[in-house]
Amino acid sequence: KNQVEQSPQSLIILEGKNCTLQCNYTVSPFSNLRWYKQDTGRGPVSLTIMTFSENTKSNGRYTATLDADTKQSSLHITASQLSDSASYICVVSLYGNKLVFGAGTILRVKS
Amino acid sequence: DADVTQTPRNRITKTGKRIMLECSQTKGHDRMYWYRQDPGLGLRLIYYSFDVKDINKGEISDGYSVSRQAQAKFSLSLESAIPNQTALYFCATSDRPGRTDTQYFGPGTRLTVL
Repeated sequence: KNQVEQSPQSLIILEGKNCTLQCNYTVSPFSNLRWYKQDTGRGPVSLTIMTFSENTKSNGRYTATLDADTKQSSLHITASQLSDSASYICVVSLYGNKLVFGAGTILRVKS
Repeated sequence: DADVTQTPRNRITKTGKRIMLECSQTKGHDRMYWYRQDPGLGLRLIYYSFDVKDINKGEISDGYSVSRQAQAKFSLSLESAIPNQTALYFCATSDRPGRTDTQYFGPGTRLTVL
């Protein structure tokens, strides 16, 4: 069983709508949790980074939350744009610089 | 990701061939990594290097080897390619660790082994 589970696997939304992607993890302790965006044919790019003591972090229209008690994180995208179409990957960073990657949620924004 | 480049971007090869994937970075980072990405799975670490004289195995190193020729260059070799090594391969770099160190990924190499 993957130590970082993401849901849904894929999602289609209309341009302008909001959406929330989920990440459940079992690994602990960890130093930080990140969300990456991976465009088709490109490498992942960091969106947000939260330490275990942070509850929320924003980057423009992207807002990540972290609940260390329930071991859940979410990425909320506001007013989606066509360019938001990508895979979104949740990554938990363990002490010692080891990263555990989720399989990603594929988001498609259509007009 | 222009700071991290990978060559080739696409490669098709046959079973048993030796393949080398190359990674270069201009970010001045000490740490470099090789990952593979398969559909439906998260990225998995193959090898990593914290400086020129340091090489460490990741979780799936069997069938692969690496060379850290310089701070800026990190190569991944498949000594005898097999079909289940067909995947997307990413190189990444990071600076010395801090509380929120980030890995910067290259554009990827799509490898197909027939």
